[in-house]
Amino acid sequence: EVQLVESGGGLVQPGGSLRLSCAASGFTFSSYWMHWVRQAPGKGLVWVSRINSDGSITRYADSVKGRFSISRDNAKNTLYLQMNSLRAEDTAVYYCARARGDYGDYEVAFWGQGTLVTVSS
Amino acid sequence: SSELTQDPAVSVALGQTVRITCQGDSLRSYYASWYQQKPGQAPLLVIYGKNNRPSGIPDRFSGSSSGNTASLTITGAQAEDEAVYYCKYRDSSGYHWVFAGGTKLTVL
Repeated sequence: EVQLVESGGGLVQPGGSLRLSCAASGFTFSSYWMHWVRQAPGKGLVWVSRINSDGSITRYADSVKGRFSISRDNAKNTLYLQMNSLRAEDTAVYYCARARGDYGDYEVAFWGQGTLVTVSS
Repeated sequence: SSELTQDPAVSVALGQTVRITCQGDSLRSYYASWYQQKPGQAPLLVIYGKNNRPSGIPDRFSGSSSGNTASLTITGAQAEDEAVYYCKYRDSSGYHWVFAGGTKLTVL
């Protein structure tokens, strides 16, 4: 069974940093593109970033480019999102998600339960 | 990146058919995918590609596309289909993925 468990969320002041982690199990982590998607309270889904299976390709939404960094450790089956220069508008539940099929840049088909990031003074 | 538009809310009588649409120029080049999200839950992929359903998704869900419009059709809507439905696509660069604003489906 595919499992994705996010951690690292919490309260941070504007301008601060936070690193999210996503522990993956139940599949060959190193074979899949992985994503971060966020959802502000009561709002819609927003794609944040994705990374290919070996970590050599990364993509970011314009709203986070230059501030957020996605990475992965295939030996530890873990996905990361380093978030710097955080703003109030970054407040959201952050979901880790896995592509539908292996090696391809496919749709997201499996999601974690999310971790809440609150940016506030 | 370009934008897609969805109707904010749609309602359907129990057992009837409903179509949820998503419009945008990028849909002329890429298929949309559709996600269902119920309150307090993570999203669920229901349609991808031309008209493909992941394992476990009932066949009352179907997808189609014409010009700049993608559609999700639920034939014989059930009470458990009440949810917010999001259309997702790639922008014109192919680099960015974008979710449209979502359509809240009410089953009456």
